[in-house]
Amino acid sequence: LAKTTQPISMDSYEGQEVNITCSHNNIATNDYITWYQQFPSQGPRFIIQGYKTKVTNEVASLFIPADRKSSTLSLPRVSLSDTAVYYCLVGSGGGATNKLIFGTGTLLAVQP
Amino acid sequence: NAGVTQTPKFQVLKTGQSMTLQCAQDMNHNSMYWYRQDPGMGLRLIYYSASEGTTDKGEVPNGYNVSRLNKREFSLRLESAAPSQTSVYFCASSSQGNTEAFFGQGTRLTVV
Repeated sequence: LAKTTQPISMDSYEGQEVNITCSHNNIATNDYITWYQQFPSQGPRFIIQGYKTKVTNEVASLFIPADRKSSTLSLPRVSLSDTAVYYCLVGSGGGATNKLIFGTGTLLAVQP
Repeated sequence: NAGVTQTPKFQVLKTGQSMTLQCAQDMNHNSMYWYRQDPGMGLRLIYYSASEGTTDKGEVPNGYNVSRLNKREFSLRLESAAPSQTSVYFCASSSQGNTEAFFGQGTRLTVV
C-alpha cells in the first residue's frame, strides 16, 4: 500500500485559495487518489477522487502531475466552515487489496 | 435513506467487560470497514470486509473481532475491554472497487 505524507497543519484566511499537497512516492499503477474531509465529532466525508491530470467538482479541484507521485487538493475561496482535517488516501479500493488507509491528515484552520 | 448507521452512539465499559458495536448500511455496498480514532489522531483501520463472507485484518486488529453477518451488517466485538481501547469507532462502507466510502456518525467508547 502506498504511504502518504501531508503537512500536519495549515492556516488560511477567508476568501483565499488553499492548496494542500500530498506525497505518495510509491503509488501503484492501479491506485486512485482520494481526499476526505472530517469535521470534529463526525465521520470523514468524501471530497474528490482522481487518477491523473485534473479533476474538478463543486467543492474542490484535484491536480495530479504526470508521475502521480504527489497530488494537490485545491479549495477555492475558503470560508470558516472549511476548517477541518483533510486526508489524502491512495489505493485501488477493490479486489484483494480493498483497504482504505488514512494517514494523519492536514488540519486546515481558516480565520476571519 | 439512512446510509451507515452505528449503535450505540455512546458507551462506557469497565475494564474486562465485553461488548459488540453494531453497524448497518442500506446502500447495497459490498465492502465495509471499522476504524478507530484516538483524540487528535487520524483514523486507523481495525478490520475490513471486502465482501459478504470475508473479513481481513487492518492496521490495529489486536483485541477485536468482527462478524460480517450479511451484506448489510458488520459488527465489531471487544471481548475484554481495556482502557487503551477508549476511542471513537467509525464504521464505513463502499461499493466494490470504489474508494469513495460513506461513514457512520461514530461510537464514542470509554473504558474505565
